[in-house]
Amino acid sequence: GQNIDQPTEMTATEGAIVQINCTYQTSGFNGLFWYQQHAGEAPTFLSYNVLDGLEEKGRFSSFLSRSKGYSYLLLKELQMKDSASYLCAVAAGNKLTFGGGTRVLVKP
Amino acid sequence: GAVVSQHPSWVICKSGTSVKIECRSLDFQATTMFWYRQFPKQSLMLMATSNEGSKATYEQGVEKDKFLINHASLTLSTLTVTSAHPEDSSFYICSATGNPNTEAFFGQGTRLTVV
Repeated sequence: GQNIDQPTEMTATEGAIVQINCTYQTSGFNGLFWYQQHAGEAPTFLSYNVLDGLEEKGRFSSFLSRSKGYSYLLLKELQMKDSASYLCAVAAGNKLTFGGGTRVLVKP
Repeated sequence: GAVVSQHPSWVICKSGTSVKIECRSLDFQATTMFWYRQFPKQSLMLMATSNEGSKATYEQGVEKDKFLINHASLTLSTLTVTSAHPEDSSFYICSATGNPNTEAFFGQGTRLTVV
């Protein structure tokens, strides 16, 4: 099975930076995804890492260290609309398993 | 990105009845589809993984006789909640991928309420 851990909640101020960590234990690792989910909606894709290092995509960046079983999602220049849940998901074998999700609240 | 259509988006049914939820990949062939359940303020819990033409693989604790999954074609998978009870009320989401190492695309989700 897989063990995927991420913080439950984080609060940050508009314009600031927030880093959401995700640790995992798995066998047959095929990559790690980050999704954003607003309440009552389906998740939307943010990033995919399969090799170690940092992937930057506009205000969002994602980092992966396979040897440490660790990833983070970095949100820069936070906007109010970034208030949402952020889901870390690990692909292993033929399966995509989600962590518990981190609710991020952006305050003015 | 690719489009996955899930239908219906919401359904209310009486306790004891069955409900079928459809998940279609509109512009790609989905070799694998996943079915998730999400309770309020919780993350997505994987229920089962289905591959076209073969039986679904259910996660531990998910009753295969209660949640019937059919993946008869490369563009359609269905989840039937049989003899639904109020505790089955939840948000059900499907996702589809043509390749296990690439992004999985999500349907819009189905909010099921059993009364």
